[in-house]
Amino acid sequence: SQKIEQNSEALNIQEGKTATLTCNYTNYSPAYLQWYRQDPGRGPVFLLLIRENEKEKRKERLKVTFDTTLKQSLFHITASQPADSATYLCALEYGNTGKLIFGQGTTLQVKP
Amino acid sequence: DGGITQSPKYLFRKEGQNVTLSCEQNLNHDAMYWYRQDPGQGLRLIYYSQIVNDFQKGDIAEGYSVSREKKESFPLTVTSAQKNPTAFYLCASSIDSLVNYGYTFGSGTRLTVV
Repeated sequence: SQKIEQNSEALNIQEGKTATLTCNYTNYSPAYLQWYRQDPGRGPVFLLLIRENEKEKRKERLKVTFDTTLKQSLFHITASQPADSATYLCALEYGNTGKLIFGQGTTLQVKP
Repeated sequence: DGGITQSPKYLFRKEGQNVTLSCEQNLNHDAMYWYRQDPGQGLRLIYYSQIVNDFQKGDIAEGYSVSREKKESFPLTVTSAQKNPTAFYLCASSIDSLVNYGYTFGSGTRLTVV
């Protein structure tokens, strides 16, 4: 079955540094992969979608890469701020069904 | 403002009781989804609907039921057959079933068995 893994340990970084979060998947070749932000007690918020034929995508301070050979996506936040502190989820679609399977998320803590 | 509204925010269920979680969207989205989130785990798909009057089981549908009589509404019933219902429930929608634009999520309902 499809499996998607994110680092379960929290990532703590200093304000102004670049945060890099990892998403690995197995047993599938998704057409696209998505990243979401989730704050405590709230629903996830969609951030970025990257397709299998795109190596990199940027949106303001966010950058996502997608390596279909390594079966891995990296999510970068440059010039991180305390307001970026949240849990970040990656998700991939499977089976051309419109369904998403989500990773368990990585919690990012940016310290001032 | 367009969005998804889930209610109630907190819900308490007694043993053997059925409860219904509401999900309403005014985004004119075709597809709607229900996920369950447990601490330390990813979101798990319960049911989804790509069009009115049609829905499919997700990965953990046992003990749950849904209906999609209107495009705007996708209520989830947690039945007494669901043995471990305490969780955070999230409803989502997308423009189409191809997920080209990402999901829009509601703010969630936290269900607790008492």
